[in-house]
Parts: sequence; C-alpha cells; structure tokens
Amino acid sequence: DVKVTQSSRYLVKRTGEKVFLECVQDMDHENMFWYRQDPGLGLRLIYFSYDVKMKEKGDIPEGYSVSREKKERFSLILESASTNQTSMYLCASCIRGWDEQYFGPGTRLTVT
Amino acid sequence: DAKTTQPNSMESNEEEPVHLPCNHSTISGTDYIHWYRQLPSQGPEYVIHGLTSNVNNRMASLAIAEDRKSSTLILHRATLRDAAVYYCILRDGAAGNKLTFGGGTRVLVKP
Repeated sequence: DVKVTQSSRYLVKRTGEKVFLECVQDMDHENMFWYRQDPGLGLRLIYFSYDVKMKEKGDIPEGYSVSREKKERFSLILESASTNQTSMYLCASCIRGWDEQYFGPGTRLTVT
Repeated sequence: DAKTTQPNSMESNEEEPVHLPCNHSTISGTDYIHWYRQLPSQGPEYVIHGLTSNVNNRMASLAIAEDRKSSTLILHRATLRDAAVYYCILRDGAAGNKLTFGGGTRVLVKP
C-alpha cells in the first residue's frame, strides 16, 4: 500500500516560532504537495514539488517555504508562525503530475 | 480554474445506491473530472476520475454527461464506511498538478 506519513498529528506552537512539518512517502513518487484545509475554504494548495530540489508555488504560498532535499521527503516551513496559520495541513504525493494523489493523515497545527 | 457545484449534503440508507451529482458547466476540453472523498479525521482519498467516457472501478462508477457539463458519482451499495465528504474536482490535464477542492457533499449513511 502507498503510504504517506506526516511527522505529527497534532502540534501546538507559539506566535513567532519557526515550525517544521515533515512529510515522507515510501512509493518513490516524483510529485509531492502541501495543502491546508480550513472550514468553509476547502483544501488550498500551498506549494508543490515535482523533483528533488524543485518547488513551485501554489495558491497561498505567503508565509511558507518548503524544502525537498530527498525524493521521499517534503518539508513545509513556517518561518514565523502566526495565529492565522492555525489549520489542518495535508501532504500528498503522486507518480506523475496528473495521477491520483495519495494523502497523509494530516497535522492539526494550532498557533497561540 | 473551472468550478464545480455540488449539493452540501445527502442522505442514504445502508445497502442502497447513492448518486452524487456535480455540475461543471465551464469545463474545458483538457479538464479531467476527479472525485476524492474524505472520511472523518483522515486525509482525502482518491475515488475515481474520467475525461469523457463513463468509468468503473472497485469503489464506484463515474457517469459523465455527453456535453461534459455535469457528472455523477455512483456508489452502488452504500455502507456505513462510505460516510464521508465527497469532492468533485476538475483537473486541467494541460497544467498537470493542481487539485482545487471545493466544498464537497457530505454523505450520511443510515443503518
């Protein structure tokens, strides 16, 4: 089975802290994605990567950065967490850009 | 991005079929129709996708209107485990990567 894992299910951070969210997939997928999910807004794409060291902005990249040093790992970084970044963060991966995406279980981040 | 319109919620009885409609009147020729579902406290899960022809897999069937302005996801025999939010998404085959999720349809399955 395809497996996408995320480092934490729940995370609480303080305003101004630097936050790292990790995502690992074990299927040798080329493409990886970070979304956030908020009530009433659905899922919104933050960043995606189609290869190691490559990244592309999604719809809402402001306040976030990403890192992909290895094919299986895609990290989302909040340089200075703010309360409006309290959300559910979902990582996904797929073989090719147009294929079905496999999602991780999500990380619920609360910034106080 | 082309938009989709789905009912907010639907109810079904266990063991009965469920027909989930989706309108996408501004669909373009390169847009694929994808369906995902999200069970409580889980990430979204791929269900099915198609371009022009009807599609079947072990989870569901996808019926696409001839003009492609609408489609219907069919769960043939609903079980309690099918209770989830179902998302109809248009994916631009030319642009590739992005999935744009709307509000989805919350499906309640009654025993």
